[in-house]
Amino acid sequence: NAGVMQNPRHLVRRRGQEARLRCSPMKGHSHVYWYRQLPEEGLKFMVYLQKENIIDESGMPKERFSAEFPKEGPSILRIQQVVRGDSAAYFCASSPQPQGVETQYFGPGTRLLVL
Amino acid sequence: QKEVEQDPGPLSVPEGAIVSLNCTYSNSAFQYFMWYRQYSRKGPELLMYTYSSGNKEDGRFTAQVDKSSKYISLFIRDSQPSDSATYLCAMSVGNYGQNFVFGPGTRLSVLP
Repeated sequence: NAGVMQNPRHLVRRRGQEARLRCSPMKGHSHVYWYRQLPEEGLKFMVYLQKENIIDESGMPKERFSAEFPKEGPSILRIQQVVRGDSAAYFCASSPQPQGVETQYFGPGTRLLVL
Repeated sequence: QKEVEQDPGPLSVPEGAIVSLNCTYSNSAFQYFMWYRQYSRKGPELLMYTYSSGNKEDGRFTAQVDKSSKYISLFIRDSQPSDSATYLCAMSVGNYGQNFVFGPGTRLSVLP
């Protein structure tokens, strides 16, 4: 059973470009969480999605950021018009149910660098 | 004051030492307390979690929660070079992933 997969693992963008980060949850998992990790800071929750639904986006910046988890395919975190401050590691986690510390598994992350 | 505080280290210890990692927090409503290990360029991996107060042991790892002091600890006995990683504490009011609050992590190096 493959783990949570994220791609690309590294992404370089120039200011003003768009970044698309993809997350494929573990098989059987229909709940996806996105986190951002800035240097020397802890993971910060961004958004929680189930298939075709955004459940909680309280951690998402109000502008430029959006997320989706379509019926088919991976979850996508999209950052429009990137700025240098968006440089960070973005992790997704998946779980088979909304509750359960023990059932949430993290992917390896996508490291975004904005030049 | 940050909701969860953790000494970032780095912490270097010789192989075989007992390691003590700690976090303090300010939200008395936290009930779930987790420790994650994160190797370089990898995602966090759950090591242990406890609900409410008390101790929990798993092999060489012991997690302690002192809610009266708002202080949690992770002890690693007989530390190994393979334990070299960043250790993140996290906590939550409810058992819901979107409510986890993470500390910044402590970088640990176990020297052979």
